[in-house]
Amino acid sequence: AQSVTQLDSQVPVFEEAPVELRCNYSSSVSVYLFWYVQYPNQGLQLLLKYLSGSTLVKGINGFEAEFNKSQTSFHLRKPSVHISDTAEYFCAVSDWGRGSTLGRLYFGRGTQLTVWP
Amino acid sequence: DAGITQSPRYKITETGRQVTLMCHQTWSHSYMFWYRQDLGHGLRLIYYSAAADITDKGEVPDGYVVSRSKTENFPLTLESATRSQTSVYFCASSGQGNYGYTFGSGTRLTVV
Repeated sequence: AQSVTQLDSQVPVFEEAPVELRCNYSSSVSVYLFWYVQYPNQGLQLLLKYLSGSTLVKGINGFEAEFNKSQTSFHLRKPSVHISDTAEYFCAVSDWGRGSTLGRLYFGRGTQLTVWP
Repeated sequence: DAGITQSPRYKITETGRQVTLMCHQTWSHSYMFWYRQDLGHGLRLIYYSAAADITDKGEVPDGYVVSRSKTENFPLTLESATRSQTSVYFCASSGQGNYGYTFGSGTRLTVV
């Protein structure tokens, strides 16, 4: 089974500041990687995903993430955050097509991003 | 409307009662999943299904039952609700290739 570690449970930041949410995963094989965002009282929404190709992935709302295979990391970044970015962010890894017949997602425990004015 | 729909959005039930949470998707996705979300635990997989009539246990299946007679529906039943099953439940679906799940809006269940 895969495991995903989100290194910070809470990240407070001021509006217009840059932010990085860290994610590490444990895997010795190729994986697919995802970031989801959850706004209060809502379901999870896909922000971006890495399947193959360029290691820098751009997503919605100005977020991007960089896949680093040697460090088994997939950190999420935004150069300038807005108050509306306040939400919980989940990193997830899938082992689809790598010996798994299901391709289930393994989630980290989440990082609460709070943007202050 | 197209998408994945969960019902009810909120439910309060008493200990020992049976309760069923509904999940319906309109994409004909093969894969469907039930997660529960609790503070400090993140998302934990309860059950999943690869196709109609094919289901399997996830990390925390005890006390839950699922069925999938039709591709579009994946109900989750708590046979005898306990307070520890108070949680937010999310249904998700995925097509072939698993390019990410699509989640429903969740059901907030309180067992009193």
